[in-house]
Amino acid sequence: AQTVTQSQPEMSVQEAETVTLSCTYDTSESDYYLFWYKQPPSRQMILVIRQEAYKQQNATENRFSVNFQKAAKSFSLKISDSQLGDAAMYFCAYRSLTGANSKLTFGKGITLSVRP
Amino acid sequence: KAGVTQTPRYLIKTRGQQVTLSCSPISGHRSVSWYQQTPGQGLQFLFEYFSETQRNKGNFPGRFSGRQFSNSRSEMNVSTLELGDSALYLCASSRSAELSYEQYFGPGTRLTVT
Repeated sequence: AQTVTQSQPEMSVQEAETVTLSCTYDTSESDYYLFWYKQPPSRQMILVIRQEAYKQQNATENRFSVNFQKAAKSFSLKISDSQLGDAAMYFCAYRSLTGANSKLTFGKGITLSVRP
Repeated sequence: KAGVTQTPRYLIKTRGQQVTLSCSPISGHRSVSWYQQTPGQGLQFLFEYFSETQRNKGNFPGRFSGRQFSNSRSEMNVSTLELGDSALYLCASSRSAELSYEQYFGPGTRLTVT
């Protein structure tokens, strides 16, 4: 079974600074998707960024980018120019491409606070 | 385009009762997944439905069940509620069952069992 680990429960960043959220996962599969989801205090979970394991190039979405290290099974999220609206809980998630199982396996999440 | 909607948003039940939660996916989406979110266990997969058929099921007891209707709306039911069932229940919809499609989450139903 796959597992996703987010070892830092909380992080804080100064507005306009850069912060990196860590995530590691364990799997024996070679093809899969990895995601970062954001859950603001209003609780609506939204997708921040997605990475396909077969792609070597790290995904980027505006101020959000990932550092995907497949061999190390590491998938960190970098937020540049942090904004107050980035304050939320962030979840790292894994989706297998094996079989028909489309479930997401989530990490425990990390609470990010942004200091003005 | 309207997002995923879940009703009710908040619910208080007592132990032993049963509850039904509803999820309306984004128009055109045919796959619906359910997740339970608790502070202790985090987000855990309950089940997934596609075209009225349950495709996958997580490791939850048989008290947790669900179904999907022909219009893709989905309900989940929890019978004989226990205190530990208190959680935020999230529904996510996807255009199809293909794994490349993104899941869009609803706001959740906050269930409190007393």
